[in-house]
Amino acid sequence: QKEVEQNSGPLSVPEGAIASLNCTYSDRGSQSFFWYRQYSGKSPELIMFIYSNGDKEDGRFTAQLNKASQYVSLLIRDSQPSDSATYLCAVNTVKGGGADGLTFGKGTHLIIQP
Amino acid sequence: DAGVIQSPRHEVTEMGQEVTLRCKPISGHDYLFWYRQTMMRGLELLIYFNNNVPIDDSGMPEDRFSAKMPNASFSTLKIQPSEPRDSAVYFCASSYGLPQQYFGPGTRLTVT
Repeated sequence: QKEVEQNSGPLSVPEGAIASLNCTYSDRGSQSFFWYRQYSGKSPELIMFIYSNGDKEDGRFTAQLNKASQYVSLLIRDSQPSDSATYLCAVNTVKGGGADGLTFGKGTHLIIQP
Repeated sequence: DAGVIQSPRHEVTEMGQEVTLRCKPISGHDYLFWYRQTMMRGLELLIYFNNNVPIDDSGMPEDRFSAKMPNASFSTLKIQPSEPRDSAVYFCASSYGLPQQYFGPGTRLTVT
């Protein structure tokens, strides 16, 4: 059974600091890794995806993947109050040229304190 | 471009009634996914289609749930009969053959 684990939080971070969100997954066949942001009452919004070991940067966001440790993380630099949301980690077994259903963690609630 | 469209946005029904949720994927996307989100279980995949064909329905909770995709621009998720434990937010998502998926606004279903 595929499982994705996240600390539910809340994770409280001061404005301007780095927020670090973590995720572990059980299926070693997982190939694609995603971070979605979900505001209360809204739908999940894709913010980052990563396929290869290492770091991937996009603006203030950095996704980190370590397949040997089955670990994915998301760093948010210069955190803003608008970053306050629930962050969902998701994985699937497809890398490209196709799609598959995503397995989601239950999310980490992030609060950025002004 | 319009995103994924779902209707209705809110549905309140009584136990035993039939409920039909609707989804229009992003134009050109060839994968369509139905997910359900609850506080207890989080976001779970119910079923997905590729080119209108159901590929994996292992997440459909029981025979009361059924889904169809008669064409590339429309899908339905039906619950008959509905039960209070079906209360959740149901999301439709679509993809253009890559793992990234884009979600609709969701339908909040309340079964009393």
